[in-house]
Amino acid sequence: QSALTQPPSASGSPGQSVTISCTGTSSDVGAYNYVSWYQQYPGKAPKLMISEVTKRPSGVPDRYSGSKSGNTASLTVSGLQAEDEADYYCSSYAGSNIVLFGGGTKLTVL
Amino acid sequence: QVQLQESGPRLVKPSQTLSLTCTVSGASLSSGDYYWSWIRQSPGKGLEWIGYIYYAGSAYYTPSLRGRLTISVDMSKNQVSLNLRSVTAADTAVYYCGRDDSCGSVDYWGQGTLVTVSS
Repeated sequence: QSALTQPPSASGSPGQSVTISCTGTSSDVGAYNYVSWYQQYPGKAPKLMISEVTKRPSGVPDRYSGSKSGNTASLTVSGLQAEDEADYYCSSYAGSNIVLFGGGTKLTVL
Repeated sequence: QVQLQESGPRLVKPSQTLSLTCTVSGASLSSGDYYWSWIRQSPGKGLEWIGYIYYAGSAYYTPSLRGRLTISVDMSKNQVSLNLRSVTAADTAVYYCGRDDSCGSVDYWGQGTLVTVSS
């Protein structure tokens, strides 16, 4: 299995929306509705933002949403705020008790 | 509140074994509701899932580390352990433990511990 593919960077101005993609294959992202998204600030542990493609854990702002189409999952951050500037990682279950991560996307708020 | 804390040597010599322990509080490993993961992040790089274990002892590993990696659980101490043998500089990373729903959703993370492989 190979890592999932994410764009290295994304950006948007405050108040705008930005979407980060996560591309896998028919054996991982396309096969299971088990895509998660994490936010990570420098020097900190990741934080779960989205699970099972679209589920938001308690305490995560509803500005964060997830979706999936075929082998590509997406994280959308609406109404961008300065505090959204961070690294974002996707992960997907790949069957046979294997989990894959994406390479990460650095989100910059302009 | 669930808390996880990694501990272990911060410096390991090449070819030796990297050993870390994750102590879990606020949740019982024996409840059987979750898997317990290890994830690492090389300096300046992305996250890498390296494996997880179920309380009953069933452990699963990323293929690239299978053969060098052992994850185990000590329910009496509510701890999960990681042993990575024959390490090289490429194993230098921040190692995180986490609580996983078995499908890659990690809702609680330890703070992470940086382990450097160097002579």
